[in-house]
Amino acid sequence: ETGVTQSPTHLIKTRGQQVTLRCSSQSGHNTVSWYQQALGQGPQFIFQYYREEENGRGNFPPRFSGLQFPNYSSELNVNALELDDSALYLCASSPGGVETQYFGPGTRLLVL
Amino acid sequence: GESVGLHLPTLSVQEGDNSIINCAYSNSASDYFIWYKQESGKGPQFIIDIRSNMDKRQGQRVTVLLNKTVKHLSLQIAATQPGDSAVYFCAEITGTASKLTFGTGTRLQVTL
Repeated sequence: ETGVTQSPTHLIKTRGQQVTLRCSSQSGHNTVSWYQQALGQGPQFIFQYYREEENGRGNFPPRFSGLQFPNYSSELNVNALELDDSALYLCASSPGGVETQYFGPGTRLLVL
Repeated sequence: GESVGLHLPTLSVQEGDNSIINCAYSNSASDYFIWYKQESGKGPQFIIDIRSNMDKRQGQRVTVLLNKTVKHLSLQIAATQPGDSAVYFCAEITGTASKLTFGTGTRLQVTL
């Protein structure tokens, strides 16, 4: 059991809507990363937060944004949803570098 | 851009046999590699890692081999069990990058 939890587990939205996904980090972990995993593909890095500050970003448009809170939990927000945003969104927390990341079970988002 | 890829999308092995999953990476500056196992409905789970200054690393029933000359990584699973059935990803980290770069994955099917 990794201790990283995500909510909701599944979500259905329509094109143009906005969505917020949540992640609760494992106790003691101050770094959280978000990944998008399309069906049949490997996870793609969206961004990382370290102590409430963005600490790296992948090739995703600005409509993908995030927050990290003082208790190190995190949110991923996606505006103006597109059909291609349908994917599994993974959160991973670590006490430091990405080498020690622990992944949550993910939130499966379907955009219709 | 730089990417990590896999040779075989699906590998089928009999229970008790050894499995070998391969991965080719393109970024010669990558200095840290991780193998992950992802079961259905779960996030990726760390299996074993290796740094670029090593050629081989062994864990419990698993061995990772790194050939920097041809930029090739492999995961060997000894005495494959039904519980090993999953999708396996290799991932790389380059320098001080805050992200993991994943390949597309190989599905391992264990037959009885």
